[in-house]
Amino acid sequence: EAGVAQSPRYKIIEKRQSVAFWCNPISGHATLYWYQQILGQGPKLLIQFQNNGVVDDSQLPKDRFSAERLKGVDSTLKIQPAKLEDSAVYLCASSLRGRNTEAFFGQGTRLTVV
Amino acid sequence: AQSVAQPEDQVNVAEGNPLTVKCTYSVSGNPYLFWYVQYPNRGLQFLLKYITGDNLVKGSYGFEAEFNKSQTSFHLKKPSALVSDSALYFCAVRPRASGGSYIPTFGRGTSLIVHP
Repeated sequence: EAGVAQSPRYKIIEKRQSVAFWCNPISGHATLYWYQQILGQGPKLLIQFQNNGVVDDSQLPKDRFSAERLKGVDSTLKIQPAKLEDSAVYLCASSLRGRNTEAFFGQGTRLTVV
Repeated sequence: AQSVAQPEDQVNVAEGNPLTVKCTYSVSGNPYLFWYVQYPNRGLQFLLKYITGDNLVKGSYGFEAEFNKSQTSFHLKKPSALVSDSALYFCAVRPRASGGSYIPTFGRGTSLIVHP
């Protein structure tokens, strides 16, 4: 079974530039998550999708971050404009429907903002 | 607001000895509880979860965890540690009840180092 695919693996940008990350979840997984993991901290949920609808985006900085999941499969997360404090690993995860289901994570995208 | 505490940044144990990685939580009602492991340059991998029933949950790679409702804890354990168990371990909690926030919350992580 193929896992969660993310690209790119690494990205370095200057502050105020924009960047986009892509995620392809496990086939059949209705739920998709984007997490931000800052060095030395646990993953922090940014947004959760159920199929192509947003379930929770309460921790997404909406003035600069946006995400979409067209057709309920692939998803993109965008940052525009980036700030130095956005430097982190961005993790995409997917799961079956339900709060008691475990998430399957991609390898993440390491973003460095300089 | 819900929270997860992993009080130890690092746990050191000798190979063959038992290990414990601690996790306590604060959430309304009875939560769903999870443990994940992260190896260097890899994504998080699911180890085990508590949903209901037996307080002792068995998971992958010989790990187990004990749910203690009165102490609001969900400590990860293994009877005999292996060098290959060295990794970063994360505890996560998700509220069970409907209404209010039900997003998953992760702890800061505990680095487990198993010495040969």
